[in-house]
Amino acid sequence: QVQLQESGPGLVKPSQTLSLTCTVSGGSINSGSYFWSWFRQPAGRGLEWIGRIYASGSTNYNPSLNSRVTISIDTSKNQFSLKLSSVTAADTAVYYCARVGTSFDFDYWGQGTLVTVSS
Amino acid sequence: DIQMTQSPSSLSASVGDRVIITCRASQSITSSLNWYQQKPGKAPKHLISAASTLRSGVPSRFTGSRSGTDFTLTISSLQPEDFVIYYCQQSYSPPYTFGQGTKLEIK
Repeated sequence: QVQLQESGPGLVKPSQTLSLTCTVSGGSINSGSYFWSWFRQPAGRGLEWIGRIYASGSTNYNPSLNSRVTISIDTSKNQFSLKLSSVTAADTAVYYCARVGTSFDFDYWGQGTLVTVSS
Repeated sequence: DIQMTQSPSSLSASVGDRVIITCRASQSITSSLNWYQQKPGKAPKHLISAASTLRSGVPSRFTGSRSGTDFTLTISSLQPEDFVIYYCQQSYSPPYTFGQGTKLEIK
């Protein structure tokens, strides 16, 4: 059973960079034809896809965040990471990582981590 | 970006009822439509992929269908644990987009 777990600071100051890591267990991040994704969800609101990465390092980002987002992967640690630069209060949300399944559905999710942007 | 319009935004129903949630895509997405259930404070849970393929372990009272760019999630015989939020999501092309969500409430 694949499991994902987000980790990182819960509080980030405005204009700084938000950094989160997703650790995958129960399977290799390098196995199969899977992408790995990040999402976010502001309190009481819907889901926003941030971007995805393949084991090779190939990425796709949401154009709404493209200039501020970097997703990377470390296959040796079975982890992938998110960096979001120049954050503002509007970036306050619960951030989720997930596996992209074979139908480009999101079949396994982390539990989510709340990141608050505040001075 | 492909826009997903989900309706209704909220729905009141009773245990045992049958309900239908609709999602309309702004363009053709073939059958690249997935459904998720989200309980308060929890991550979304994948229910259905490719418009109508039920994920293993998901109760058979959940069914999905497609008619052109319109997709439906039907829940037959609502159970108490079903009164949460449901989202559709298109997987036709990035950026992957979600509907606004439908909150099922107990009448």
